[in-house]
Amino acid sequence: EPEVTQTPSHQVTQMGQEVILRCVPISNHLYFYWYRQILGQKVEFLVSFYNNEISEKSEIFDDQFSVERPDGSNFTLKIRSTKLEDSAMYFCASNRGPGQGETQYFGPGTRLLVL
Amino acid sequence: AQSVAQPEDQVNVAEGNPLTVKCTYSVSGNPYLFWYVQYPNRGLQFLLKYITGDNLVKGSYGFEAEFNKSQTSFHLKKPSALVSDSALYFCAVRVLDSNYQLIWGAGTKLIIKP
Repeated sequence: EPEVTQTPSHQVTQMGQEVILRCVPISNHLYFYWYRQILGQKVEFLVSFYNNEISEKSEIFDDQFSVERPDGSNFTLKIRSTKLEDSAMYFCASNRGPGQGETQYFGPGTRLLVL
Repeated sequence: AQSVAQPEDQVNVAEGNPLTVKCTYSVSGNPYLFWYVQYPNRGLQFLLKYITGDNLVKGSYGFEAEFNKSQTSFHLKKPSALVSDSALYFCAVRVLDSNYQLIWGAGTKLIIKP
């Protein structure tokens, strides 16, 4: 069964450093998402991406964040200058097509720790 | 504002007993509701969803959920719990005035005791 994959599984970085989190969505999916979950808190939406552009973003997704689909398979989240409060589990998700009823399938997450 | 509530931080059930994990929602218009499960050190796995039609929805691993419009609830149920069902369960709703983002509940830790 196809799965969303994410690398790395864990990332430790120093405050102020740039990090890139990588995701490979399910191959025939067209809509991509990033969510994050700070330890002990709710899952929060960051951004959605379709047709090579951001379709929606939350207020969390400020200028420090960017997303890219550099090739036909990868979907990346870049945090330009990490802050302590960026420490969280970051989940990538994808779904096949439009429609409110479409199921989003999630990757295993990348646990980011900013020191 | 659109929101999802999971009123219980933790639910304890003996193996073999029925289980219920509660979820209520507040959205504009018709909701699209989802349940996901998260096992330790794993991602969010889709369990089931309600879009339209029959209020009782069946999903993976023997789980089902009942959509109740009048009570704005979408409780997750299973007739007979297994120890392996122990995990973190999240209810989520699709926001209709946006593209496709999901709004999440805080999660309920389900503990099944042998």
